[in-house]
Amino acid sequence: GNSVTQMEGPVTLSEEAFLTINCTYTATGYPSLFWYVQYPGEGLQLLLKATKADDKGSNKGFEATYRKETTSFHLEKGSVQVSDSAVYFCALGPYGNNRLAFGKGNQVVVIP
Amino acid sequence: EAEVAQSPRYKITEKSQAVAFWCDPISGHATLYWYRQILGQGPELLVQFQDESVVDDSQLPKDRFSAERLKGVDSTLKIQPAELGDSAMYLCASSYGDSSGNTIYFGEGSWLTVV
Repeated sequence: GNSVTQMEGPVTLSEEAFLTINCTYTATGYPSLFWYVQYPGEGLQLLLKATKADDKGSNKGFEATYRKETTSFHLEKGSVQVSDSAVYFCALGPYGNNRLAFGKGNQVVVIP
Repeated sequence: EAEVAQSPRYKITEKSQAVAFWCDPISGHATLYWYRQILGQGPELLVQFQDESVVDDSQLPKDRFSAERLKGVDSTLKIQPAELGDSAMYLCASSYGDSSGNTIYFGEGSWLTVV
């Protein structure tokens, strides 16, 4: 089946630190991969996506590369800000009728 | 920028009562989704519409949940009777179509607390 696994636990780091959130996936076929961000009290916003192997998605200083050989789509940012504090979800799809499968999410807390 | 509108944002209801959530997708989006997000987990699809037709409700607890999109535009998700385990965020989303490559846009969600 199609599933996404994100690293366990929240991530706490200082402003300007380097952020990495791990995401691995299991899928049939050739899915697209996504990172969504959820700010406190809000819905999900698409942060970036990659539609095929070796593609790199990027937005707002965040990057993720679709690695088929390691079935991974790790999210990185070189210098985080307090405003990046949010929950980040990795997702894959579409499958079926444009469905998405989400990971459990990682809360990121950036301390000034 | 067009948005998916949802209401209410927050709802507290007693166990065994009925509750309803409303969603207005982005204009022109034929596909509408209802997801449930339990605290600390990722969203899970409850039901998906293509225009006014249900295309996937395999994860919808049909004994207490119902969803409709009568005119193929806005949609209502109802829970009756509500149970404590239904406490979650209910997210509506829409996309232009149900084909690969159509980005899914989410609303701000409706928080439900059942007491």
